[in-house]
Amino acid sequence: DQQVKQNSPSLSVQEGRISILNCDYTNSMFDYFLWYKKYPAEGPTFLISISSIKDKNEDGRFTVFLNKSAKHLSLHIVPSQPGDSAVYFCAAGRGSNYKLTFGKGTLLTVNP
Amino acid sequence: DSGVTQTPKHLITATGQRVTLRCSPRSGDLSVYWYQQSLDQGLQFLIHYYNGEERAKGNILERFSAQQFPDLHSELNLSSLELGDSALYFCASSVGWGPGNTIYFGEGSWLTVV
Repeated sequence: DQQVKQNSPSLSVQEGRISILNCDYTNSMFDYFLWYKKYPAEGPTFLISISSIKDKNEDGRFTVFLNKSAKHLSLHIVPSQPGDSAVYFCAAGRGSNYKLTFGKGTLLTVNP
Repeated sequence: DSGVTQTPKHLITATGQRVTLRCSPRSGDLSVYWYQQSLDQGLQFLIHYYNGEERAKGNILERFSAQQFPDLHSELNLSSLELGDSALYFCASSVGWGPGNTIYFGEGSWLTVV
């Protein structure tokens, strides 16, 4: 049973536009969420996180939104740049237990 | 470069064999995690060690075992290998554990079982 789902395997966006990556989760016990970016032949790199007590967190061009009632989070990248082209993983955890559950990832392609 | 070092980067071995994957965490990090990424799966949590002690276990097979040594490096031992064990194995580290502790991933060890 997949507790964290990224239903779009891929997304293509024009440079300068907004990229919106979505993630749904089923376990209501999750109380913090993270986004990781992964380039080929590299390990995942932490991007941004959000605690369940918040509904928005911003870091530069990256904003994560959390809708607890819908069990949905999204990552917005504005403006998108070609260097953002990578696989983006959504992850969730609960309590102090750091057993992160990852989605399968979404491949973002930003076209010049 | 995340500062997490994994060896070997690539490994091809036969079914039934045993391999050891090694991980050196970032300097100062006490937590080490192991994750498995198969072709059609996301990252699957295997196990977490903190300062030499096991803290959490995921869906790690009994054929797999891990340990964290006094110098904080970690090894993941995979035995009686099956074709389905072919995957990318990531090691990650963080200073402590829990929210607020950024987890840094290594580049992974590609294991191919033939």
